[in-house]
Amino acid sequence: QSALTQPASVSGSPGQSITISCTGTSSDVGGYKYVSWYQQHPGKAPKLMIYDVSNWPAGASNRFSGSKSGNTASLTISGLQAEDEADYYCSSYTSSSTLVFGTGTKVSVL
Amino acid sequence: EVPLLESGGDLVQPGGSLRLSCTASGFTFSNYAMTWVRQAPGKGLEWVSAINTTGDSTYYADSVKGRFTISRDNSKNTLYLQMNSLRAEDTAIYYCARGLKSSNYWGQGTQVTVSS
Repeated sequence: QSALTQPASVSGSPGQSITISCTGTSSDVGGYKYVSWYQQHPGKAPKLMIYDVSNWPAGASNRFSGSKSGNTASLTISGLQAEDEADYYCSSYTSSSTLVFGTGTKVSVL
Repeated sequence: EVPLLESGGDLVQPGGSLRLSCTASGFTFSNYAMTWVRQAPGKGLEWVSAINTTGDSTYYADSVKGRFTISRDNSKNTLYLQMNSLRAEDTAIYYCARGLKSSNYWGQGTQVTVSS
């Protein structure tokens, strides 16, 4: 159950687009369509932004989009805004019927 | 109305036990699998355990297997996490969340501190 690999930090200017990667194995990311992305602001509970690789939950912004290729999933934030500054985590269902989270990425808005 | 409310977090000595509760409201609790996730101070999210709708299937991270037990009481709309043989590395905020493969409802978390 090793954590999925994410870059430690990603930054961008307001209005730009950024992409966060999430790399796993064929036993998790590559084997299932159950990749999710969460946003977490300091001191707050995580908030679901994307589920099942590329679907938006009710209330989520469509500036956030998800995709997957092989063992790597990606989250793209378009039209970056100051409020997007937060930590982001991917998660994936695994072949052991468990869930595994990514290492987390700190997004900074310059 | 807060859909998920955790309780039971406390300061406990190494080797001790604690039971966390998560009370659900505003949705049909018995229709959803439930999950516990924790976050150590300054660290990332770690999936801990999950349980199906009826409680007869349970899942655990290797780090807690054999020490933690997840359960639910659908008549009380409540999810539990019994934590035994606690270690310093179990110190974290513990969140309950609705769902198994993804969670769109999370509680506010309860703090568990394991220290002598």
